[in-house]
Amino acid sequence: QQQVKQSPQSLIVQKGGISIINCAYENTAFDYFPWYQQFPGKGPALLIAIRPDVSEKKEGRFTISFNKSAKQFSLHIMDSQPGDSATYFCAASMQDGANNLFFGTGTRLTVIP
Amino acid sequence: ETGVTQTPRHLVMGMTNKKSLKCEQHLGHNAMYWYKQSAKKPLELMFVYNFKEQTENNSVPSRFSPECPNSSHLFLHLHTLQPEDSALYLCASSQTRRVSEQYFGPGTRLTVT
Repeated sequence: QQQVKQSPQSLIVQKGGISIINCAYENTAFDYFPWYQQFPGKGPALLIAIRPDVSEKKEGRFTISFNKSAKQFSLHIMDSQPGDSATYFCAASMQDGANNLFFGTGTRLTVIP
Repeated sequence: ETGVTQTPRHLVMGMTNKKSLKCEQHLGHNAMYWYKQSAKKPLELMFVYNFKEQTENNSVPSRFSPECPNSSHLFLHLHTLQPEDSALYLCASSQTRRVSEQYFGPGTRLTVT
């Protein structure tokens, strides 16, 4: 059973537009929700993360929105740039306990000039 | 060298071959991970080592054999693999108590013929 469901699978956005990637989870024990960014030929890199005690976290052009009651969270990329073209993975974990980070299936984002 | 390095970057092997993947982290972390990344699937956690001790084995077939001689080095020994084992194998590291903040290497692209 997939612990974290991610959509869409792929996304094409015009330069300057807003990219939105959505994730949902079932396990209410999750208490940490990171997003990873992966460029071709590279491993995933931590981009931004949120804990469930806040509804939004912003770092530059990247914002995570978190809806605890709906068990959903999303990544918004404002003013999307061609350099943002990459695969984005949402994930969830429990800070205490097993060393498990549960990943979504990834979203391939293409930002066209 | 900085971060997490992996060698080789690409590997083609026959089903009867024996090969090893190497991972080295230069971050002073004490937890290391092996993941399998296949297209359109979530990253699959294979093995976890904390302070050189294996703490997780996610039902991985015995044809994959991990080795962790110290906190900085991690190996994945491969033998009698199947074509469906072709994938990108990622190594990651973290502090033991910060499982969500994992640092990934670039991966080894493995092709089993």
